[in-house]
Amino acid sequence: GQQVQQSPASLVLQEGENAELQCNFSTSLNSMQWFYQRPGGSLVSLFYNPSGTKHSGRLTSTTVIKERRSSLHISSSQTTDSGTYLCARNNYAQGLTFGLGTRVSVFP
Amino acid sequence: VTLLEQNPRWRLVPRGQAVNLRCILKNSQYPWMSWYQQDLQKQLQWLFTLRSPGDKEVKSLPGADYLATRVTDTELRLQVANMSQGRTLYCTCSAGQGANTGQLYFGEGSKLTVL
Repeated sequence: GQQVQQSPASLVLQEGENAELQCNFSTSLNSMQWFYQRPGGSLVSLFYNPSGTKHSGRLTSTTVIKERRSSLHISSSQTTDSGTYLCARNNYAQGLTFGLGTRVSVFP
Repeated sequence: VTLLEQNPRWRLVPRGQAVNLRCILKNSQYPWMSWYQQDLQKQLQWLFTLRSPGDKEVKSLPGADYLATRVTDTELRLQVANMSQGRTLYCTCSAGQGANTGQLYFGEGSKLTVL
């Protein structure tokens, strides 16, 4: 099964609305990361190893490592927030394992 | 600031033909270089992490065969062969590997389409 589960799979927002994205891990966790993938394809790191709560502009990440879960909150969404949000876990002996992502569409 | 330069950015690949991809590292603070593939269903999957010049690895996945080579401290290559389905290959860099990966930085990607 999927080691990294993200929900919802997709989300449609009206500009100004808030959103909460979830990421759950099926096995014990060392650290994780949140990424944003632009509609054109390139990926940008949003939060790295965000244990506890961290803020970056209108984004807030809340991660509870021992419960193997993380959430990403988008406040006052803007059309430029549209894209796919991916979470990933670090692994001991290989690269990151990614979820399938949450596709967010923000309409004016 | 761009940490990684990938080329080509797009390539149409005739069925049965191999293609060579190149990735150049612009910042020596992140010497662990890796390749990830993203399939048509948008699933991102780690392929290789190569640290030292001369390191080579091969892998066969559904839809493509891969040969990765760390050529120099700043150059990583990937040969893609027997590709039957399109995909995008991303080069990444980081300060460590495994549990010590740290923040992962992505290149712009090389999008491959099968003709």
